[in-house]
Amino acid sequence: GQQLNQSPQSMFIQEGEDVSMNCTSSSIFNTWLWYKQDPGEGPVLLIALYKAGELTSNGRLTAQFGITRKDSFLNISASIPSDVGIYFCAGPGAGGTSYGKLTFGQGTILTVHP
Amino acid sequence: DGGITQSPKYLFRKEGQNVTLSCEQNLNHDAMYWYRQDPGQGLRLIYYSQIVNDFQKGDIAEGYSVSREKKESFPLTVTSAQKNPTAFYLCASSIRFRERKLFFGSGTQLSVL
Repeated sequence: GQQLNQSPQSMFIQEGEDVSMNCTSSSIFNTWLWYKQDPGEGPVLLIALYKAGELTSNGRLTAQFGITRKDSFLNISASIPSDVGIYFCAGPGAGGTSYGKLTFGQGTILTVHP
Repeated sequence: DGGITQSPKYLFRKEGQNVTLSCEQNLNHDAMYWYRQDPGQGLRLIYYSQIVNDFQKGDIAEGYSVSREKKESFPLTVTSAQKNPTAFYLCASSIRFRERKLFFGSGTQLSVL
């Protein structure tokens, strides 16, 4: 089946720093989604991307749909302690038994030191 | 407020025991999903249901069973056949199947005694 690889696996940063993470796929996607999971909670959708090259912001968060359609990027500016959590990328299955189902990356764990 | 409610938050299973995790939504969504989350791994799909009275196996269905008798309810049973059940279980829903935006519950942590 298709795979999503997120990097880095974890990040330890100081409050106020900017954060960048990315996600790559083994196949072409027509949609990219970014979710955030707070400790002990379910993921919450941050940003959805629908077109190659698209750049979308949500407050201090900015995500981009890669031109190759096999990657996506998430940036967080001026990090704050409540940014702590796991960030997941996700994309829809390309076909066959994966059609219609979301595939999730393994997540990037973000720790912010005050 | 509309949302997805999972219960219980913490659950313990004894050897050879079946346990059932509850998931209820009042969003009027057609599709519902169960995911399993292990540390350091992404979310893996166990079962999904496109509409009431229908459900399909996901990528890791062995040792699990579901039912969808009501639109708002999608309980997951972890059977004794699941040899490694300790994980965080997440229920989700979407307006319809193939809708990319999933709404998640707050999860159930299942541990083996």
